[in-house]
Amino acid sequence: AQKITQTQPGMFVQEKEAVTLDCTYDTSDQSYGLFWYKQPSSGEMIFLIYQGSYDEQNATEGRYSLNFQKARKSANLVISASQLGDSAMYFCAMNALSYIPTFGRGTSLIVHP
Amino acid sequence: NAGVTQTPKFQVLKTGQSMTLQCAQDMNHNSMYWYRQDPGMGLRLIYYSASEGTTDKGEVPNGYNVSRLNKREFSLRLESAAPSQTSVYFCASSERRLAGEQYFGPGTRLTVT
Repeated sequence: AQKITQTQPGMFVQEKEAVTLDCTYDTSDQSYGLFWYKQPSSGEMIFLIYQGSYDEQNATEGRYSLNFQKARKSANLVISASQLGDSAMYFCAMNALSYIPTFGRGTSLIVHP
Repeated sequence: NAGVTQTPKFQVLKTGQSMTLQCAQDMNHNSMYWYRQDPGMGLRLIYYSASEGTTDKGEVPNGYNVSRLNKREFSLRLESAAPSQTSVYFCASSERRLAGEQYFGPGTRLTVT
């Protein structure tokens, strides 16, 4: 079976500080993709960042970086220099050829001014 | 480019009624997906279509049917709605199933009374 676990239901961070959102995964596939999505209070789902299982470098997209530790099966999202607009739900997800796309239950991030 | 569009945005049904949720994408993507989102549950895959002409069950397919009408359109049908199907439904598409990020529609908020 394939599974994504996000253990932090809610996180708080001060504006301009960095925050790490945790994600662990479980799969028997060797080839898979890991994704993070953002869902603001308006409800749309927005793709943030992707990491392939064979990628040697951690993915980065602007203020977002993915801390990929393959041996530990973790794919944490790091948001640097948090902004008020970063307040949202964040979902970790995984694709693998043998399994259907799987999402975690999400982490609610609140950025304080 | 409209991206992924869904209709309707809101719908209220009585138990036993049927309806079809429409989804279309203009990005020439091969894969399309239907998810439901319930509080605290993240997104759960109902059905997906890896390519035109194919459909497969996801995690929670019972009570739903789908049609991949052509490469652009993927519809979700509730034949006999139940209160347990009250949810927010998202359609998504991706260029590639494994490594491709998903692009989501705005969602349909369905209430079954």
